[in-house]
Amino acid sequence: QVQLVQSGAEVKKPGASVKVSCKVYGYTLTELSMHWVRQPPGKGLEWMGSFDSKNGETLFAQKFQGRVTMTEDTSTDTAYMELSSLRSEDTAVYYCTTDKGVGNGVVFDPWGQGTLVTVSS
Amino acid sequence: DIQMTQSPSSLSASVGDRVTFTCQASQDISTYLNWYQQKPGKAPKLLIFDASNLETGVPSRFSGSGSGTDFTFTISGLQPEDIATYYCQQYDNLPTFGPGTKVDIQ
Repeated sequence: QVQLVQSGAEVKKPGASVKVSCKVYGYTLTELSMHWVRQPPGKGLEWMGSFDSKNGETLFAQKFQGRVTMTEDTSTDTAYMELSSLRSEDTAVYYCTTDKGVGNGVVFDPWGQGTLVTVSS
Repeated sequence: DIQMTQSPSSLSASVGDRVTFTCQASQDISTYLNWYQQKPGKAPKLLIFDASNLETGVPSRFSGSGSGTDFTFTISGLQPEDIATYYCQQYDNLPTFGPGTKVDIQ
């Protein structure tokens, strides 16, 4: 059973960067495709991008291209998402989630508990 | 990018009611459509994958159907614990989510 545990809440100033971690339990990170999804307060879910350990492939939603970096430390089974040039609109809960590997497309399960990132001057 | 719409954006029903709402894709996505339930302050939970396949452990009152561009999610006998927002998610090239349908009890 895969379990994802994320790092704690962050408060950042506009223009800064934030790095959120997601540690994998019960599985090896190299066997997983890790995705990141965010949710602004009171709003819906937005897919940001993914990193596939198996082939090193990264995919990003166009709006985050150039501003997001996704990395992994396979020695600790921890995935990271770094978002730079933060602005107030980046205030959101950030989730890591994996592709369950069932069905014919990308199916997100399980999910981390979420990390609230607040951008405020 | 494929755009997803959901309707209605919110609904209110009584315990025991049959509840149905829809998700529409801007282009054909075959059955690459999943449904998630999200309760306040919690991460989303997978309920249905590939349009109609019930995730293990999910109550059978939840069901999904559809293919192509039009999809339907049904709760057959609404329960108080079903109060949540439900999101559809497609995977054709890159994943995208619908805006959600919020379900409340009357």
